[in-house]
Amino acid sequence: EIVMTQSPATLSVSPGERATLSCRASQSITNDLAWYQQKPGQAPRLLIYGASSRATGSPARFSGSGSGTEFSLTISSLQSEDFAVYYCHQYKDWPLTFGGGTRVEIK
Amino acid sequence: EVQLLESGGGLAQPGGSLRLSCAASGFSFSDYSMTWVRQAPGKGPEWVSTIGGSGSYTYYADSVKGRFTISRDNSKNTLYLQMNSLRAEDTAVYSCAKDPLQEGGHWFDPWGQGTLVTVSA
Repeated sequence: EIVMTQSPATLSVSPGERATLSCRASQSITNDLAWYQQKPGQAPRLLIYGASSRATGSPARFSGSGSGTEFSLTISSLQSEDFAVYYCHQYKDWPLTFGGGTRVEIK
Repeated sequence: EVQLLESGGGLAQPGGSLRLSCAASGFSFSDYSMTWVRQAPGKGPEWVSTIGGSGSYTYYADSVKGRFTISRDNSKNTLYLQMNSLRAEDTAVYSCAKDPLQEGGHWFDPWGQGTLVTVSA
């Protein structure tokens, strides 16, 4: 099973600042990685797939990068609606697995 | 607009059974693989099972293999999850999610809001 490790667990950021979230895979997943945003009481929403392709409706301030085992999600200028939990997800191999999440909170 | 609406959750005793349903609309249901994902309270998502668009193949997480069965009725645009031999650790919100292609093993978009399954005596 491919283990996905996200860091940090919590990120405190001021509105307008840049945030970078990390995700590491236990083995190479090439670019078979997605990022989701989840707000309290809501289902996860797809932000990024293919490590760097923005999903339909995903704001341009969200960008993904990386390949192999190291990936990152960058939010260029945090807006109030961006404070949420973010999960990475590998779909290179079965079983499909998720990271433990990074909570982005207001500093 | 793609819509996914789960139902069938509730309280079950350990060793009991439940059948979840996911009613899909807004897309050609049989053209896409579908997946069940669960989230235990306060935890991240856990993939449970995936079924191909025609229903010809299925995949299961080891934690549910032999106990859960995924199926679909393309004439009713509905996905199912039959859950038997339930355990306390199966307690979670169960959501269905649409795959972008007919064969599974990709990202999920969108996810349904989910239905809560609680396993307790």
